[in-house]
Amino acid sequence: DAKTTQPTSMDCAEGRAANLPCNHSTISGNEYVYWYRQIHSQGPQYIIHGLKNNETNEMASLIITEDRKSSTLILPHATLRDTAVYYCIVRVAGGGTASKLTFGTGTRLQVTL
Amino acid sequence: DAGVTQSPTHLIKTRGQQVTLRCSPKSGHDTVSWYQQALGQGPQFIFQYYEEEERQRGNFPDRFSGHQFPNYSSELNVNALLLGDSALYLCASSEDGRGTEAFFGQGTRLTVV
Repeated sequence: DAKTTQPTSMDCAEGRAANLPCNHSTISGNEYVYWYRQIHSQGPQYIIHGLKNNETNEMASLIITEDRKSSTLILPHATLRDTAVYYCIVRVAGGGTASKLTFGTGTRLQVTL
Repeated sequence: DAGVTQSPTHLIKTRGQQVTLRCSPKSGHDTVSWYQQALGQGPQFIFQYYEEEERQRGNFPDRFSGHQFPNYSSELNVNALLLGDSALYLCASSEDGRGTEAFFGQGTRLTVV
């Protein structure tokens, strides 16, 4: 799986958009970008994934650059409950690879009043 | 649907002892992976079980072993515990062949003293 680079920490005011960047310059053509988050003392939670098109679901939006070397996770209206460590993971989708994930140290997002 | 359940939630063991952790996957999932998460670090992949066989393994010693049962539940066994084995142990499940994301349990906090 390709290596990813994320900032160690970020702050965001409640109600504002949180934009979390991820660099994955060595991504292969068949690798997807996945985002998970881990709220303190809980297991990681799947957020969203994409291949090359921008994706949106009820939790977040994922913007992938045209060259696919970087992406941004957007939480449109951050709340205090979004305070967590966010992991950007690049992997081939499908089959048994779904639960074999290579985590980095992630970005610690602190949402403040 | 109860999601992924792990037991126990907390455990304290003495150096040299053996421990068994348990995981029940999300309904409909047949693949189980185990992770170790040290304090302040991202989860590290230990191994994955599918069809009652270990399919993939991370960089962990043979002291770490596992088992998957016909109902897809799984156990993680650690022998000859070391202080460095103190960590949060996470179980993740997915559906082989169709699954695009993994679902994690809340983890078992193991403390070795």
